[in-house]
Order: sequence, then structure tokens, then C-alpha cells
Amino acid sequence: DGGITQSPKYLFRKEGQNVTLSCEQNLNHDAMYWYRQDPGQGLRLIYYSQIVNDFQKGDIAEGYSVSREKKESFPLTVTSAQKNPTAFYLCASNPTSGTDTQYFGPGTRLTVL
Amino acid sequence: QKEVEQNSGPLSVPEGAIASLNCTYSDRGSQSFFWYRQYSGKSPELIMFIYSNGDKEDGRFTAQLNKASQYVSLLIRDSQPSDSATYLCAVAGGYNKLIFGAGTRLAVHP
Repeated sequence: DGGITQSPKYLFRKEGQNVTLSCEQNLNHDAMYWYRQDPGQGLRLIYYSQIVNDFQKGDIAEGYSVSREKKESFPLTVTSAQKNPTAFYLCASNPTSGTDTQYFGPGTRLTVL
Repeated sequence: QKEVEQNSGPLSVPEGAIASLNCTYSDRGSQSFFWYRQYSGKSPELIMFIYSNGDKEDGRFTAQLNKASQYVSLLIRDSQPSDSATYLCAVAGGYNKLIFGAGTRLAVHP
């Protein structure tokens, strides 16, 4: 099956810990994105990458880091510098060839204990 | 700052009625517009996209775009309880990015 996978589905973090959220796609899409969603709010862009080994900050990049070493993978690290990380994290991808349509993975719900 | 505005709702409609969801956007140069449906606790799924002024129909869904008024809407005909969800409007913001509204919660009651 082609698609976007995210793991884990649920993640619990203690204050002061860094955690890494996984995002993998086998759609051969060039662009990948990380969003954060808080209850009752829309999606806010954290980071995006349009090509391997290149990525750009979105609107709320502080306290987060990413890498794009492979086309299929775009992991997100939530660092201890992120003061309020409890949220629903969504990864998306886009083929970039003539469309802005983005397709989403199932999401990771992160809770800080 | 490019913005996308939606009424948060909830919009409550009876089963079988037409649900009308509205969205306005600030960037007059936007060219692509998207509607996503998001069930509680799940990720957004694409319902429709529209690029040209006018109507675009897909089954029970119709997207309407008016670029002069910077307004895009989604009509859902014969609404079903399974349509109860949050509907996110998104507008292309350049560089393959999308700008999302906060969403409108739709409740279809039997």
C-alpha cells in the first residue's frame, strides 16, 4: 500500500527530554511537511522540505529540529527548548509536480507528563 | 501575514439538509483552494480542490470559488450523520505550502 506512516501513534515525554517523531512515505513525493495542531485550532507549519538535504522553517519552528537525509523520511525532533509540546503532530507530503495538494499521515499525539 | 478565516461553529443541520461551509482568505493572488475533512482524533483527508471561479461538483459535495470576493465555500447535499466532522479550508500560500483555517465543526443530527 502506498501512503504516509507516522510512529508512534501516542508518545509521552517527560519535561527536559528530547523525542523524535517518525514520518515515512512511499509515494515518491518530493515535499514533506510537519504541522502541529492544538485543540480547536487549525494546522500550524513547523518545518517543510522540498528536496532531500534541504528544509525550511515554518511559522513555529522554535524548539523543533528536522532532517531530510532520504526522500522517504522526514523525522521531527521535539527538543526540551519547546516549552509547550503537548499537541497532535501531523506529517504531510506533496508530489510538487503541478499541484499543491498535500496528503496526511495518521498523526502522533504527544503528551508531556 | 496571509490568513484564512472560517466560522468555528458548530454548524448544526438536520439529516438530509444542505450544509454550507464558508471560508475567506486574505491573499488575492492565491490560486489553489482545498477542503479537508477531519474526524475527531484523526488526520485530515482531502475532499476537494478547486482552482477556477465557479462551482465544482463531486458526488454530494460542491466547492464554490469567487476570487473577486476572496471567498470559497463547500456545500454538502443530503447531509448524513457520518458527515459530522471538522472541515478545514486551505489556501495555497506559495512554495508548495498551504495555509489552513481553524476549521468549522459540522454536526448532522438525525
